[in-house]
Amino acid sequence: SQTIHQWPATLVQPVGSPLSLECTVEGTSNPNLYWYRQAAGRGLQLLFYSVGIGQISSEVPQNLSASRPQDRQFILSSKKLLLSDSGFYLCASRAGIGYTFGSGTRLTVV
Amino acid sequence: ILNVEQSPQSLHVQEGDSTNFTCSFPSSNFYALHWYRWETAKSPEALFVMTLNGDEKKKGRISATLNTKEGYSYLYIKGSQPEDSATYLCAFMNRGSTLGRLYFGRGTQLTVWP
Repeated sequence: SQTIHQWPATLVQPVGSPLSLECTVEGTSNPNLYWYRQAAGRGLQLLFYSVGIGQISSEVPQNLSASRPQDRQFILSSKKLLLSDSGFYLCASRAGIGYTFGSGTRLTVV
Repeated sequence: ILNVEQSPQSLHVQEGDSTNFTCSFPSSNFYALHWYRWETAKSPEALFVMTLNGDEKKKGRISATLNTKEGYSYLYIKGSQPEDSATYLCAFMNRGSTLGRLYFGRGTQLTVWP
C-alpha cells in the first residue's frame, strides 16, 4: 500500500518569504501526484498535478509553483509568499480509482 | 469548476445517536463518488469509493448510499461514538477526466459528545 510523507506539519512564514513544501511517496511507482489546498471556509481545491517526472500542470493561476524532480517526489514552492497563500496543503497520490493523502501542512503567512 | 455541496456544515450529537449527512454533486458525467474521514493533523482516510447508481456500502457502523441520477449520496453513522468525531468529506470524480482529479465538498464536521 502507498504511504505519503509530507512535511512540515505546520509553518508560519512572513509575507515575501520563500516556501518549499515536500512530499514523497512510498509503495508505488509512476503515480499521479497532486497538491490540494484548503483555504479558510472552503473545500479542498486542486492546485497542481503531475503525471510524471518534470510534468506539471496547474489548475489555477497563482503565486505558487510545483516541481517533480524524481518519480516519487513532489515539491510545492513560492518565491514570495502572500497573505492569501495561507491555508492547509495536502499532497495526494492516485493509484487506480483510489487516492492516498499525506497528513498535510498548515501554512500561516503573517 | 464543478460544485459539490455537503450538509450540514457541522453536527453535534450525543454518544449512541445515529446520524446522517448529505453530499450533492453534478448528475452528469458521473464516474465516482469518494467519502473520506478526516481527523485533525492526520491524513484523510478513505471510507468508500462508489461508482454505481444504487450502490450501498458499509464499513462497521458507517454506511453510504449513492443516487447518481439525482446527484446525491448519504453517509450514515449508527450509534455514534466519540471516536467518530471528525470531518467527513465527499469528493466527486467525473467521467472523461484523464487527471483523475477530485472535486471536494467543504465537509461535515461531526462532534460526538460522551
